[in-house]
Amino acid sequence: AQSVAQPEDQVNVAEGNPLTVKCTYSVSGNPYLFWYVQYPNRGLQFLLKYITGDNLVKGSYGFEAEFNKSQTSFHLKKPSALVSDSALYFCAVRVVNTDKLIFGTGTRLQVFP
Amino acid sequence: NAGVTQTPKFQVLKTGQSMTLQCAQDMNHNSMYWYRQDPGMGLRLIYYSASEGTTDKGEVPNGYNVSRLNKREFSLRLESAAPSQTSVYFCATLTYSNTEAFFGQGTRLTVV
Repeated sequence: AQSVAQPEDQVNVAEGNPLTVKCTYSVSGNPYLFWYVQYPNRGLQFLLKYITGDNLVKGSYGFEAEFNKSQTSFHLKKPSALVSDSALYFCAVRVVNTDKLIFGTGTRLQVFP
Repeated sequence: NAGVTQTPKFQVLKTGQSMTLQCAQDMNHNSMYWYRQDPGMGLRLIYYSASEGTTDKGEVPNGYNVSRLNKREFSLRLESAAPSQTSVYFCATLTYSNTEAFFGQGTRLTVV
């Protein structure tokens, strides 16, 4: 079955430290992968995507993600966390040749001053 | 440019009542989606539509129906609401070429 897993419900990090939010996927074929962020009482906002090419993709607000095909992972990273990065983060996958877009369960990132 | 507009923003229903959640987009996107968001469950896909006149089931379609009568609008109908359908519902669009989803602001539905 096609699925996206975010193994951590919450990630806590001190401001200024690097952060990683994990995502693994299980789909057939070559997937399109995405990260979205949700602030309280808001819809989701696009951060970045991997379609093809360089395994390291850069996105909005200083975030980046690394695609690892052998580990079927697409972890979100940022070198130096900000308190304003605190939000709910979703990994998503779109199966190529379909329009089905499925999301993980979300990871709450808490950045402490 | 409104993007993706959902109506209503809030709704309280009694068990057994019916209602339709509306979604309209002005971005000329082909694909549209309905998700529900529940604590600890993330976003779960209810139905999606790749183009006008086509719809497909997602992960949790039971209890819902959808309609894509034109490119702009994709509605979600609850024929007989149940408390288990209390949730926040999001509509989204996706262009094939851009491969980026745009979300509405959500509809908070409570079924009592």
